[in-house]
Amino acid sequence: AQSVTQPDIHITVSEGASLELRCNYSYGATPYLFWYVQSPGQGLQLLLKYFSGDTLVQGIKGFEAEFKRSQSSFNLRKPSVHWSDAAEYFCAVGAQTSYDKVIFGPGTSLSVIP
Amino acid sequence: EPEVTQTPSHQVTQMGQEVILRCVPISNHLYFYWYRQILGQKVEFLVSFYNNEISEKSEIFDDQFSVERPDGSNFTLKIRSTKLEDSAMYFCASARPSGFYNEQFFGPGTRLTVL
Repeated sequence: AQSVTQPDIHITVSEGASLELRCNYSYGATPYLFWYVQSPGQGLQLLLKYFSGDTLVQGIKGFEAEFKRSQSSFNLRKPSVHWSDAAEYFCAVGAQTSYDKVIFGPGTSLSVIP
Repeated sequence: EPEVTQTPSHQVTQMGQEVILRCVPISNHLYFYWYRQILGQKVEFLVSFYNNEISEKSEIFDDQFSVERPDGSNFTLKIRSTKLEDSAMYFCASARPSGFYNEQFFGPGTRLTVL
C-alpha cells in the first residue's frame, strides 16, 4: 500500500538559515511526488512536483526537492528561510492510474524565529 | 489561470442537519475528488468521481456521504446527517484527462463546523 512518512512533526529554524524537510514514501512503482504548503486556515498550495526526468526539481518560493529512488525519499530544501515560510508542509504521493488518489503525509510544521 | 473554486468558505451547522458543499472544477477537467482535513491532522482522501460515477471511495465515505455532478459544472458533496466528527476542512480537486499523470488541482477548501 502507498504511504508517506514525514519523520519531523515540528521544525524550528532561524530566519536566513537553510532548511531541509524529510519525506519518505512507500510505493511499488515509480511514484509521482509532491510538496504542498498550507498556511494556518488556508488551502493547499503546490510547491513542486516530480513526475520523471531530472531528480532535482525546482519549485516556487525558492524551494527545491530531490528524488532519491534508492532511499525512497523526496526531501524538500531551501537555502535561506524567510519568516513568511512558517507554515505546514505536506509531502504527497500519487499513483500512475489516471484518476488515482493522492496520499498525503502527516505534515511538518515549520516555525521561523527572527 | 483557471482554478477550482469552493463555496461556502465556512459552513456552520447543527448536528444531524444535512449539508451540501459545492465545488466548481476547472472547466476542461473530467476527474473530480473530495478530500478532508480534520484540524491539526493530515489531508485524507474521501472519494474520486469520473464519468458520472464514483471511481474509488475511502472507508470514511460511508452511507452518510454522497457526491453528484448535477449540471456539468458543479461537483457537490452531501453529508446527510452531520456528526460532530465531520467538522473538518473539505477540499475539492479536479484533474484533466491526458495520457500522462493527471495532476490534481485543489480548491481553497470549505471549513465545516458541526455544533
